[in-house]
Amino acid sequence: DAGVIQSPRHEVTEMGQEVTLRCKPISGHDYLFWYRQTMMRGLELLIYFNNNVPIDDSGMPEDRFSAKMPNASFSTLKIQPSEPRDSAVYFCASSLVGQGNSPLHFGNGTRLTVT
Amino acid sequence: ILNVEQSPQSLHVQEGDSTNFTCSFPSSNFYALHWYRWETAKSPEALFVMTLNGDEKKKGRISATLNTKEGYSYLYIKGSQPEDSATYLCATNFGNEKLTFGTGTRLTIIP
Repeated sequence: DAGVIQSPRHEVTEMGQEVTLRCKPISGHDYLFWYRQTMMRGLELLIYFNNNVPIDDSGMPEDRFSAKMPNASFSTLKIQPSEPRDSAVYFCASSLVGQGNSPLHFGNGTRLTVT
Repeated sequence: ILNVEQSPQSLHVQEGDSTNFTCSFPSSNFYALHWYRWETAKSPEALFVMTLNGDEKKKGRISATLNTKEGYSYLYIKGSQPEDSATYLCATNFGNEKLTFGTGTRLTIIP
């Protein structure tokens, strides 16, 4: 089991550019979560999917953020256009079942820096 | 707003000593309580998932208890070792899949 795989590990981009973060969840996990880690707010849930369907995107900060899960093994988080305040570590996590009964398995994160 | 509070924010403990810290959460609509260990430059790793009032779980020198009626959980580390240095996060949900995380307790073990 390779675990949750995120790419890239680091991304440095200029303000206004489009950024795409990628995630491959653990095979067989029904839930996928995108979190953002900042010093000020800790780990914030942005959006989560169940069986590839977005369930709750209320944590997505604004329309510049979008996420997709075209199949069970791949998800993207896109920021367009990016802004310096988007700089953070973005984590993807997956879990086997819902209702909080099973632990989250986190990827290694993508550290995004927007200059 | 559903808040998960952790205390203390940071803690320095002498190697060999035992320690504990707290996670508190609203007791209404509780469903599950998670503990994660987060080492610097790595990603959070799950320690425990607890759902029942009075639950106690143990993994090696680390254990956790849960009181859902009063809304708190304790994490205990017995005989701290340098490799225990990490940030310990708790998280809870309220009947759905959305885990709300606390801001963590940063533990430093002094050799």
